[in-house]
Amino acid sequence: SQQGEEDPQALSIQEGENATMNCSYKTSINNLQWYRQNSGRGLVHLILIRSNEREKHSGRLRVTLDTSKKSSSLLITASRAADTASYFCATDLPSQGGSEKLVFGKGTKLTV
Amino acid sequence: DTGVSQNPRHKITKRGQNVTFRCDPISEHNRLYWYRQTLGQGPEFLTYFQNEAQLEKSRLLSDRFSAERPKGSFSTLEIQRTEQGDSAMYLCASSLVIWDREPEAFFGQGTRLTVV
Repeated sequence: SQQGEEDPQALSIQEGENATMNCSYKTSINNLQWYRQNSGRGLVHLILIRSNEREKHSGRLRVTLDTSKKSSSLLITASRAADTASYFCATDLPSQGGSEKLVFGKGTKLTV
Repeated sequence: DTGVSQNPRHKITKRGQNVTFRCDPISEHNRLYWYRQTLGQGPEFLTYFQNEAQLEKSRLLSDRFSAERPKGSFSTLEIQRTEQGDSAMYLCASSLVIWDREPEAFFGQGTRLTVV
């Protein structure tokens, strides 16, 4: 079963607007990562946020993490047509020796 | 190109045939992962290797699925007696795991399998 669930499943916005996607997960994590996937292609890593971090920025991306609510959000500011893609959150399951595998949600399909 | 490479990119096969996919990870990466992705879903974990050791294979979908990484470098994923339900994108990823760092996984472009 999948650990993360993204919300909304689909999002359509105009260029220049901000896009916000949310992710909820079920169990405690070491970190949470966001990936982007263009149609029919592989996944591209966007950003990683550790369980002891609350917010992280990378260019036009802003990620927040609320471990008490087991949720994360990805904000893309000033969106562009090239941002059109599916966005996935991925969590790792804590284990001895470090994270072992990423568990993905179903993704949010963003159309700009 | 120094990224993760997967071959072939596309494979069409008849039901009942065996297929094998290859993944060449980033050269210094010690971990290699296989995922399966069906339309509209996120990637589903199948198995992973730490160097040449397969550390988890319980998620392989059935005993028709097997994976190897014989020398700790490239890996192969084999599906025997393919079924139409095996049609999916098969993704490979690699990462460099160091004790105190959370690894970023780099994905290949995937192999799209169509079973007819």
